Amino acid sequence: EVQLVQSGAEVKKPGESLKISCKGSGYSFTSYWIGWVRQMPGKGLEWMGIIYPADSDTRYSPSFQGQVAISADKSISTAYLQWSSLKASDTAMYYCARQGQGGALGYWGQGTLVTVSS
Amino acid sequence: QSVLTQPPSASGTPGQRVTISCSGSSSNIGSNTVNWYQQLPGTAPKLLIYSNNHRPSGVPDRFSGSKSGTSASLAISGLQSEDEADYYCAAWDDSLKGLYVFGTGTKVTVL
Repeated sequence: EVQLVQSGAEVKKPGESLKISCKGSGYSFTSYWIGWVRQMPGKGLEWMGIIYPADSDTRYSPSFQGQVAISADKSISTAYLQWSSLKASDTAMYYCARQGQGGALGYWGQGTLVTVSS
Repeated sequence: QSVLTQPPSASGTPGQRVTISCSGSSSNIGSNTVNWYQQLPGTAPKLLIYSNNHRPSGVPDRFSGSKSGTSASLAISGLQSEDEADYYCAAWDDSLKGLYVFGTGTKVTVL
């Protein structure tokens, strides 16, 4: 069974750094792209970027380029989303998802809620 | 950021057919296939339709998708109370080295 399990909720202060994770299991982790999606409170879905774990080829949405870093450690089947300096506007639910047929995001993690508040 | 436009809401009574539109452009829907996602309240999104009109295993055949030119549609026939959710279209966009774009989202209410 394909599963993506994300790390738990985080509460951070503005200016702090953060790295959240997404561990894949039940499939060949290096064979599929993994994407990250943001959902701000009460808002829609926003595609942030995607990584191919086999060679760490990474693409970013222009809206998120330079604001976050996406990485992966194929030895432990885990993808990451990282911030060097959080802002209050980063408060959101973040989902990882595996790309599959038709380029669709066929499997999703349960989400990681990030709250940034002073 | 959304470049795919959906109506903010749609509704119907149980058993009715509801259709949701998704309008894009030549660089996204016009050039690539469309996917649809369902997000039930408080849960992660779920893939409902991929490649315009294909259902993943386990998705009821009450859900169907279509695409024409730079627009796409999701139809829900035989509407059920458990279909009350947010629905998003999405497609790859060939501009700017390729990115994935979601629609603005449609809230479906079962009356």
